[in-house]
Amino acid sequence: GDSVTQMEGPVTLSEEAFLTINCTYTATGYPSLFWYVQYPGEGLQLLLKATKADDKGSNKGFEATYRKETTSFHLEKGSVQVSDSAVYFCALSPQGAQKLVFGQGTRLTINP
Amino acid sequence: EAGVAQSPRYKIIEKRQSVAFWCNPISGHATLYWYQQILGQGPKLLIQFQNNGVVDDSQLPKDRFSAERLKGVDSTLKIQPAKLEDSAVYLCASSPSAGVYNEQFFGPGTRLTVL
Repeated sequence: GDSVTQMEGPVTLSEEAFLTINCTYTATGYPSLFWYVQYPGEGLQLLLKATKADDKGSNKGFEATYRKETTSFHLEKGSVQVSDSAVYFCALSPQGAQKLVFGQGTRLTINP
Repeated sequence: EAGVAQSPRYKIIEKRQSVAFWCNPISGHATLYWYQQILGQGPKLLIQFQNNGVVDDSQLPKDRFSAERLKGVDSTLKIQPAKLEDSAVYLCASSPSAGVYNEQFFGPGTRLTVL
């Protein structure tokens, strides 16, 4: 079945460091891919999305590229801030379906 | 625009008791989802409604869980009887009518503790 695997957490970085959170998926056809973020005390929010191969999603300095050949959608940011501390979830929506299949989440902590 | 509303925010019950959660989606959103998020895991879909019809309930433990969306607007998820392993955050989400991008908007969740 469809599944998403995320890099194990937690991840702790210093402010202004480069961030990569790995995400790979298993799905048939061409799913849509998403990164959701959950800030402390808040609900899940969509961070960025990509709906076809080679698309790049971007928002708030974060980027992720849909790589069909490696079935990956890694999240990157060039210079993280303390305010980026949150739990990040990679997710897919199977082709032709509307549901989301989530990875296990990666907790990110940025120290000043 | 008001977001997805859920209540209660927290609930503590003993095993074998029953519990119900309520969700009011964003106005005009046809699709409503219930997810279960166990501590340390990602959310898992329990049931998806399109208007007042069920689209996907393949992962709903139907011997103890039930859900309804009678008028195609708000929804109730019930657990009866609860087990210890039902301790989780129950998330409600909604999205506009079927489309390519499938952005779902999530409520704050209900944290259930079963003792």
